[in-house]
Amino acid sequence: KQEVTQIPAALSVPEGENLVLNCSFTDSAIYNLQWFRQDPGKGLTSLLLIQSSQREQTSGRLNASLDKSSGRSTLYIAASQPGDSATYLCAVSGAGGTSYGKLTFGQGTILTVHP
Amino acid sequence: DAGITQSPRHKVTETGTPVTLRCHQTENHRYMYWYRQDPGHGLRLIHYSYGVKDTDKGEVSDGYSVSRSKTEDFLLTLESATSSQTSVYFCAISEVISNQPQHFGDGTRLSIL
Repeated sequence: KQEVTQIPAALSVPEGENLVLNCSFTDSAIYNLQWFRQDPGKGLTSLLLIQSSQREQTSGRLNASLDKSSGRSTLYIAASQPGDSATYLCAVSGAGGTSYGKLTFGQGTILTVHP
Repeated sequence: DAGITQSPRHKVTETGTPVTLRCHQTENHRYMYWYRQDPGHGLRLIHYSYGVKDTDKGEVSDGYSVSRSKTEDFLLTLESATSSQTSVYFCAISEVISNQPQHFGDGTRLSIL
């Protein structure tokens, strides 16, 4: 059974800092890995998706890397802003057949960026 | 934003009553999913659909059933609600190809007293 762990569970940083969120998964047979953002009381917003054959993806101040063989991904946020405050979730998609698209989520990292 | 509408957005009901949650999409995506989100457990997959009338169980399917008679609608039914099913329920959709992310609705907050 796939298990996804996110470290740290919570993070509080001053504005402007660069930060790294970590995600690890136990089964390397994944189709892709996705990072989501969730604001309080809201649904999930997709930030980045890395296919299993890729090493990293970038969008603006966000960069996500994937090391499938070691079961790890990191989300790097550059020059953090108070608007980045949210819960960040990592999820992996099963590989092949009816496993496609079945996401297994980590429990998230609660990020607070203070002015 | 992806065209996903969940209804109702909030519901309070009593133990033993039937409850149906609806997810409606305007994107014509093939895959649709129901998740529940609980403190300490994160998001967990309940059921999913890979086409009209094609559904399968997820990690926490006991006590839930689903139906998909049209591409755009995916219904989640609690036949006899229990307090352990108090949760926030999210619907998601995705296309078949691997480089497309899942898009989530805004959720339904369900309280069972």
